[in-house]
Amino acid sequence: RKEVEQDPGPFNVPEGATVAFNCTYSNSASQSFFWYRQDCRKEPKLLMSVYSSGNEDGRFTAQLNRASQYISLLIRDSKLSDSATYLCVVGGGRRALTFGSGTRLQVQP
Amino acid sequence: EAGVTQFPSHSVIEKGQTVTLRCDPISGHDNLYWYRRVMGKEIKFLLHFVKESKQDESGMPNNRFLAERTGGTYSTLKVQPAELEDSGVYFCASSPHNYEQYFGPGTRLTVT
Repeated sequence: RKEVEQDPGPFNVPEGATVAFNCTYSNSASQSFFWYRQDCRKEPKLLMSVYSSGNEDGRFTAQLNRASQYISLLIRDSKLSDSATYLCVVGGGRRALTFGSGTRLQVQP
Repeated sequence: EAGVTQFPSHSVIEKGQTVTLRCDPISGHDNLYWYRRVMGKEIKFLLHFVKESKQDESGMPNNRFLAERTGGTYSTLKVQPAELEDSGVYFCASSPHNYEQYFGPGTRLTVT
């Protein structure tokens, strides 16, 4: 079983749609949680950190449920430029990051 | 502020040769990490430096990989001798406080 599990997609959505990604992690000792965005053949770019209280940055909302070991990302009013792979990333006690395989999003005109 | 830089961007070498990858972290970031993505797999941790000290090298695949960070600034990752399964993208990341990590553009290594 992978340490961080994500639905690989692809999610094909029209512009303006709301889309949600989910992720589960297996290590209950995990201490930090992130969503990164990766464009084709580029490096992962930090999208947002995820907190138990939930956090929002513009059209993006992230949520963490520690009891269920579940992380979510909601994107509202999707733009063409949101097309990318979204990586669920978890930080362990030794600070190394553990990556999911990513969920591919394609926003269509 | 300049981001994390890596050199070279691409490297093609033959099996048995040596390759050295370089990473320059964001200025002032004490924490430096190496990760690798092999084709079809997720990004995997290799090792973590705090300044010039190796904090965690649990992800290094074998003793053909040697990482250094002399002086606590830039880091090098040497693969000697390279094998076919070493092909992939090697990412470097840095962090000021061991929390959010910022990634460089990666070095795409192809071993033929």
